[in-house]
Amino acid sequence: AQSVTQLGSHVSVSEGALVLLRCNYSSSVPPYLFWYVQYPNQGLQLLLKYTSAATLVKGINGFEAEFKKSETSFHLTKPSAHMSDAAEYFCAFGGSYIPTFGRGTSLIVHP
Amino acid sequence: NAGVTQTPKFRVLKTGQSMTLLCAQDMNHEYMYWYRQDPGMGLRLIHYSVGEGTTAKGEVPDGYNVSRLKKQNFLLGLESAAPSQTSVYFCASSYLGGQDYEQYFGPGTRLTVT
Repeated sequence: AQSVTQLGSHVSVSEGALVLLRCNYSSSVPPYLFWYVQYPNQGLQLLLKYTSAATLVKGINGFEAEFKKSETSFHLTKPSAHMSDAAEYFCAFGGSYIPTFGRGTSLIVHP
Repeated sequence: NAGVTQTPKFRVLKTGQSMTLLCAQDMNHEYMYWYRQDPGMGLRLIHYSVGEGTTAKGEVPDGYNVSRLKKQNFLLGLESAAPSQTSVYFCASSYLGGQDYEQYFGPGTRLTVT
C-alpha cells in the first residue's frame, strides 16, 4: 500500500519569498509522483510529474520539484511567490492504478 | 477539446431527494473517477471506472451509485440525499490508470443538501 503525507495544511509566504511545500510518500513499488494545483472555485490541474527520467522536475508557472529517494520526498518549490500562486496544492502518488492524494496544502501569499 | 465537463455546476436539494451528476470527457480516456472534496479532508474517491460498462467502489461509496454506459460519460447518482452529502464533487479522467498517467479534472459541482 502507498500513502502520501503533505506537511502543513497551510503555508503562508510574502510575495517574492521562496515557496516550499512538502510531500513525503511511502510505497513498496516505484513511485510516480504528481503535484496538482487547485485555484479557487476550479478543478485540479497538473503542475508537474515525476516519472523517473530526471530527479528535478520543472512544471508550469515556475514551479519545480525534486525527487529524493533516500528521503522519500517530492517537495515543491518556487523561488519567488506571486499573488497569483495563492491556491490549494495536492501531492499525489500514481504507482498503483488508482492515485492516492495527500490532504492538500493551502498556499497563502501576502503582499 | 472541451476536456472534462460536469453538469450541473450548482444544485440545492432537500433531504431525501434524488439527483444525477453527469460527467463527460472527450479525450477517449479509459479511466474515470468521482471524488468529493470537503474542508480539511482533501479529495476522497467515491467510485471509479476502468472502462465502459465497469464500475468499482472507492473510499466513500455509501449513498452513491454510478454508471458508465458509454465510454465518454460517467454518472453519479444520489438516491436519497442527506445533509452529509453536502460537498463539492469532482469528476476526473485518465488515459489509463497508475504509472505516470495524470488525471484531468472537471470544474466541479457544488451540492448543498438542506
